[in-house]
Amino acid sequence: DTGVSQDPRHKITKRGQNVTFRCDPISEHNRLYWYRQTLGQGPEFLTYFQNEAQLEKSRLLSDRFSAERPKGSFSTLEIQRTEQGDSAMYLCASSYLIGQVNTGELFFGEGSRLTVL
Amino acid sequence: AQKVTQAQTEISVVEKEDVTLDCVYETRDTTYYLFWYKQPPSGELVFLIRRNSFDEQNEISGRYSWNFQKSTSSFNFTITASQVVDSAVYFCALSELRGAQKLVFGQGTRLTINP
Repeated sequence: DTGVSQDPRHKITKRGQNVTFRCDPISEHNRLYWYRQTLGQGPEFLTYFQNEAQLEKSRLLSDRFSAERPKGSFSTLEIQRTEQGDSAMYLCASSYLIGQVNTGELFFGEGSRLTVL
Repeated sequence: AQKVTQAQTEISVVEKEDVTLDCVYETRDTTYYLFWYKQPPSGELVFLIRRNSFDEQNEISGRYSWNFQKSTSSFNFTITASQVVDSAVYFCALSELRGAQKLVFGQGTRLTINP
């Protein structure tokens, strides 16, 4: 399978615990995005990387959230001291940028569903 | 600020009926991309189409067609002769042409096709 993969697919945790999600983008893609989707809503942008550089973070990304893409390949999204409001689907997507323009579609993974008890 | 509105929260039709999903957007950009994605129960967002703002030609792909009207800021999606497998949540989205090109999604329309 050469699509975007995310791990774990489901995570149930207790309030106050830390969780980490991993995203492996399509191998030649240089852009990687994180989105959050709550029940009944469309996905909302959290942050994105171009290669290993994190270029933009949404106001939704509180101090408890941190994302990395250390070698410009896979990325991790960590949530510290989880709260019940963090319960959501966390979606990763990747794309390929040539110059200043994306080549086309944004490929999404199947998401990591977080439930905070 | 960019905004996408999908006024239809849920639609239910009988198989083989035609159905149109509405999408209205707001943006101050003069150039932008518009998208439609399908989200089946598995959760993965499946890309359906991307349109440039300067290309107002309607597009047809099999049973799917898209009507882009810049004058009314709408990008509607029609499924002809619907099938049960079309049941999913459909999202319309907007992005800038350059820069971060992050997607701004509508709230989605849950489409149920009944046999």
